[in-house]
Parts: sequence; C-alpha cells; structure tokens
Amino acid sequence: KNEVEQSPQNLTAQEGEFITINCSYSVGISALHWLQQHPGGGIVSLFMLSSGKKKHGRLIATINIQEKHSSLHITASHPRDSAVYICAAADYGGSQGNLIFGKGTKLSVKP
Amino acid sequence: DSGVTQTPKHLITATGQRVTLRCSPRSGDLSVYWYQQSLDQGLQFLIQYYNGEERAKGNILERFSAQQFPDLHSELNLSSLELGDSALYFCASSPRPWGGVNTEAFFGQGTRLTVV
Repeated sequence: KNEVEQSPQNLTAQEGEFITINCSYSVGISALHWLQQHPGGGIVSLFMLSSGKKKHGRLIATINIQEKHSSLHITASHPRDSAVYICAAADYGGSQGNLIFGKGTKLSVKP
Repeated sequence: DSGVTQTPKHLITATGQRVTLRCSPRSGDLSVYWYQQSLDQGLQFLIQYYNGEERAKGNILERFSAQQFPDLHSELNLSSLELGDSALYFCASSPRPWGGVNTEAFFGQGTRLTVV
C-alpha cells in the first residue's frame, strides 16, 4: 500500500464545475504539498500546508492532520486547469527526509 | 519561473552511452533532490544532497551517480544507458531538507531523456 494515496486517478469535468481531489497519507508528516504538472512536463508548487486551509485564486487546499487527509478544490474550473495534480507528504525526520508522492490525479476540463 | 534551472531540456542518446544532467538550485537553497518520472509512472526519488554532502538515497541504480559542487549546482550522471532509462528527470531544491515548516518545493522544468 502506498503511503500517499490520491483519488480519483482520473477526472473529467465540464468547464465551470467545482472539482475536488483527495489525498490520504499514512505517514506522520510535517507538511503536505500540492503540485501541478502540465502536459509539457514541468512541475509547479501550488500549496504547502501544515494545518488548516489555504486559498490562491480559484484553488483551495485543506488539510486535516488528525484524519491524515487533504483536499484540493478548484472552483469554476477552466480548460487551462487540465493537468496532473500530485500531492506529496514531507516526512520530516524520516530516514529519507524527502517528499513521498501520490501517483497523481489527471484532470481534464472540457469546454 | 521556480528559479531552479535544469539543462539540457531534451536529450536523445543511444543505449550504452553516458549522459550528464545538470541542475542549478534556487539562489540560497542548500538542498537538491533528483527524481525520475517514467512514462505513466509517479515521481521516484533518486538522491538528495545537502550543502555538498549526500543526505539520502532512494531507488537510484548503481549505473547512476550524482554530486553537488561547492557552488551548490548538482549533476546527475547516467551511464550504460538502457531503453528503460528513458524518462523525465527532475531536480528540485529547498533551503533545507523538506519537512521543515514553510519549506516549499521548487522544481526545475525537467530533462526529458530518450534512449534509443
């Protein structure tokens, strides 16, 4: 079982829909990252969360440390949001001290 | 622009060859990480350097090696290349090892390696 699980794996939405991507993790973490990877391949950091909620434009990320769960929400989705969204847990103090990645959620937003 | 620079962006080479991928971290970042992303696969951690020293090793093959230089740039050397080594190779940097509060992740644009 992966230490970081994302759902769904694939998501197709119509433009304007509200989108939620979920991430559950089994390791103790000090922070959780949400990343975006566009078809061109580059990875962009969207959020880093250690508690609560963060908002940036139409993107909202939340984390519940007790339940070991995080969500990424996209409001009023747009075709340009089409990308792979990856959550990654920062395992501070672990043997590797690096990010543990989920397998990603491939989002396609249709016009 | 994340501030992390990877070169080259694309690389095509033959099996059995050796290549070097280069990464310049964001200014001031001491930690450099290398990741491999094969087709339809997730990101696999290869190796981490912190201020010139190897800090952690992941699933890095013996044919692969890396180093971080005094100016903090890093190189990933891939030798005796096989078809299966074709992948996107990402470098990322952070001021200190990830896990610290407020330590964001900054990724380069990746090097797409194709082994033919």
